[in-house]
Amino acid sequence: ETGVTQSPTHLIKTRGQQVTLRCSSQSGHNTVSWYQQALGQGPQFIFQYYREEENGRGNFPPRFSGLQFPNYSSELNVNALELDDSALYLCASSLVTGGMETQYFGPGTRLLVL
Amino acid sequence: KQEVTQIPAALSVPEGENLVLNCSFTDSAIYNLQWFRQDPGKGLTSLLLIQSSQREQTSGRLNASLDKSSGRSTLYIAASQPGDSATYLCAVAPYGGATNKLIFGTGTLLAVQP
Repeated sequence: ETGVTQSPTHLIKTRGQQVTLRCSSQSGHNTVSWYQQALGQGPQFIFQYYREEENGRGNFPPRFSGLQFPNYSSELNVNALELDDSALYLCASSLVTGGMETQYFGPGTRLLVL
Repeated sequence: KQEVTQIPAALSVPEGENLVLNCSFTDSAIYNLQWFRQDPGKGLTSLLLIQSSQREQTSGRLNASLDKSSGRSTLYIAASQPGDSATYLCAVAPYGGATNKLIFGTGTLLAVQP
């Protein structure tokens, strides 16, 4: 167990709708990253948040947005859903100990857009 | 632009066999390289992390090597077991990006036959 949880586990939406995915990590994990993993592909970096500010973004449009909260939880919001947004969404939080940063991945939320 | 490639895409071996999974990357400017395991529909479990200054890391039956100059890494699994069946992903952390931005390969799907 990584101590990182995500909700919901599965979700079905229709094209054009909006969705919010949630991630909860352990105390002290100041950085959270979100990834999109399409079927048969490796995860792709969406963005990273550090101390509630966006701190790096991959090649995703602005309709992908996020929030990070002081209680080590975070959200991924996707507006105007498209069929290609169907994927497994993974969050990863990280902790620095002894100068080493370790990432812990959650189990993911599987989103299906119809 | 950093690209990560994994060969083979799929591998089936009988139980007890030793095997090697390959990962190559196009830009040697990386902080580290990680190998992950992913079970069907699940999140990622970190197996081994090799810092850019290191040549290899070992954990139990797993050994990962890194040759940064040639852009290659291998994951060696000794005495494979059916429980090793999963998708294995390698990922690099490039210089200059967000601290937790990982670039993943598409993975190798391993099946170990009893």
